[in-house]
Amino acid sequence: NAGVMQNPRHLVRRRGQEARLRCSPMKGHSHVYWYRQLPEEGLKFMVYLQKENIIDESGMPKERFSAEFPKEGPSILRIQQVVRGDSAAYFCASSLNTGDQETQYFGPGTRLLVL
Amino acid sequence: AQSVTQLGSHVSVSEGALVLLRCNYSSSVPPYLFWYVQYPNQGLQLLLKYTSAATLVKGINGFEAEFKKSETSFHLTKPSAHMSDAAEYFCAVSDANNNDMRFGAGTRLTVKP
Repeated sequence: NAGVMQNPRHLVRRRGQEARLRCSPMKGHSHVYWYRQLPEEGLKFMVYLQKENIIDESGMPKERFSAEFPKEGPSILRIQQVVRGDSAAYFCASSLNTGDQETQYFGPGTRLLVL
Repeated sequence: AQSVTQLGSHVSVSEGALVLLRCNYSSSVPPYLFWYVQYPNQGLQLLLKYTSAATLVKGINGFEAEFKKSETSFHLTKPSAHMSDAAEYFCAVSDANNNDMRFGAGTRLTVKP
């Protein structure tokens, strides 16, 4: 059973471009979470999605950031008009369900560098 | 709302010495607590978790953590450090729904030969 997969592993963008980060959850998992890890900081929750639904986006910046988890295909974290401050590692996690004892399994992350 | 504080951004121990990584939590509801390890350029790997069962939790790679409600702590320990334990360790807390997990800032463990 393959783990959580993220691609690309590294992404370089110039200011003003768009960044698309993909996350394929573990097989059978229908819950996806995105986290951002800024240099020298811990991980910050961004958004929680189930198939075709955004459940909690309280950690998402109000502008330029969006996320989706379509019925078919991976979850996408999209950053429009990137700025240097968006440079970070973005981690995706998935879980089978929510509630007691449902563990989040993390992908290897996508490291975004904005020039 | 939940939060965790990890005391010490860097911890250095000698190989074979005790490893103690500190984590204190704040939660208005019974917390679920986790320790994750992150090796360079990799994702996070779950070491262990506490979900209201036994207060002493054993995890992988010889690590364990004890939930102490009176001290609001969930410190991570290992009796004897190995060189391969060098990594960044994150403490995390969530509520029972496990939706909004909050992480500490991380503690970087260095193991000296």
